[in-house]
Amino acid sequence: NAGVTQTPKFQVLKTGQSMTLQCAQDMNHNSMYWYRQDPGMGLRLIYYSASEGTTDKGEVPNGYNVSRLNKREFSLRLESAAPSQTSVYFCASSDVGRNSPLHFGNGTRLTVT
Amino acid sequence: QKEVEQNSGPLSVPEGAIASLNCTYSDRVSQSFFWYRQYSGKSPELIMSIYSNGDKEDGRFTAQLNKASQYVSLLIRDSQPSDSATYLCAVGVQAGTALIFGKGTTLSVSS
Repeated sequence: NAGVTQTPKFQVLKTGQSMTLQCAQDMNHNSMYWYRQDPGMGLRLIYYSASEGTTDKGEVPNGYNVSRLNKREFSLRLESAAPSQTSVYFCASSDVGRNSPLHFGNGTRLTVT
Repeated sequence: QKEVEQNSGPLSVPEGAIASLNCTYSDRVSQSFFWYRQYSGKSPELIMSIYSNGDKEDGRFTAQLNKASQYVSLLIRDSQPSDSATYLCAVGVQAGTALIFGKGTTLSVSS
């Protein structure tokens, strides 16, 4: 019963490097999300995908791109990492209808030096 | 700008007491409300959901919703040290859109 799986768990990047955070869910959910969490800032939405084939910007999309590869997978890409992107990143998924609750992955702790 | 407000705390209660956590939201058309618990270094975990005015009880947890006053609260009865965590309030405005989270209230239960 994996739920939402994120890889990697930890990552250190140098400024300017690129990387992709992977997320997969096995709950047959339609909607998937990427949040970042910073001390004192709470969870802030980066991008979300309400259904396969669609993506929308959230509150803090600058510096990120996403791909909804299929119903199960939703990846987040940092093209040119900056120290301001040091954060903990959470992927989440939910069913449709009546604002179903989000189910979170275990997170990726990213440090950009 | 839709907002969800929580007192950041810390809220400190002794073991066995009732902990009361509050949350207010700005969008009157909000339809669904959730409480998540997050231990340090872990991901948020859903503990309660509520959709209608009134109280909803689940074990030691009670969620209370008052749409007219735009607040939702979480009561934890017989608080235990294991309840020490950050509690996140999340609000859903409409289906197909992402939940909006408050910044969380840190609860500390002392034995």
